[in-house]
Amino acid sequence: EMVLTQSPDTLSLSPGERATLSCRASQSVGSYLAWYQQKPGQAPRLLIYDASNRATGIPARFSGSGSGTDFTLTISSLEPEDFAVYYCQQRSNWPRTFGRGTKLEIK
Amino acid sequence: EVQLVESGGGLVQPGGSLRLSCAASGFTFSNYNMNWVRQAPGKGLEWISYITTRNTIIYYADSVKGRFTISRDNAKNSLYLQMNSLRDEDTAVYYCARHNWDDWFDPWGQGTLVTVSS
Repeated sequence: EMVLTQSPDTLSLSPGERATLSCRASQSVGSYLAWYQQKPGQAPRLLIYDASNRATGIPARFSGSGSGTDFTLTISSLEPEDFAVYYCQQRSNWPRTFGRGTKLEIK
Repeated sequence: EVQLVESGGGLVQPGGSLRLSCAASGFTFSNYNMNWVRQAPGKGLEWISYITTRNTIIYYADSVKGRFTISRDNAKNSLYLQMNSLRDEDTAVYYCARHNWDDWFDPWGQGTLVTVSS
């Protein structure tokens, strides 16, 4: 089973700052990695797919990069609504697996 | 508007059974593969099952294999999850999620809570 390791567990930043979240795969997933955002009490929402493509309606301040085993989600300038939990997920093979999440909290 | 609405969650004793439903609207349900994903309280996301449009391919996570059964009724635009031999560790919010054309989970329903406890 593919293991995805996210870091850090928690990231404390202020609105307007830049956020950088990491996801590392236990083996290469090519570019088959996505990022989801989950706010309290809500379902996850697809943000980035195939490592670097923004999903429909996702603001340009969200960007993804990486390939193989190392991936990054960057939020260029944090808005108040961006504070949430972020998960990475791979579709390179079954079972589909998620990282344990990074909580982005207001400093 | 694409919408997925889960139902059927509740409190059940260990060893019991429960059937979850997911009603789809706003898109041609029969054209899309579907999934169930769960989230234990305060924990991360766990994919548990996948079904193709005509039931030709079905996958399960090892944690539920042999106990859970995924199915669908395209005429009713509905996805189901039959859960048997439930355990405490099955307590979670269960989400249905559409498998989009790019092979990702999008969108998700709002989830239904299953609590396994005596």
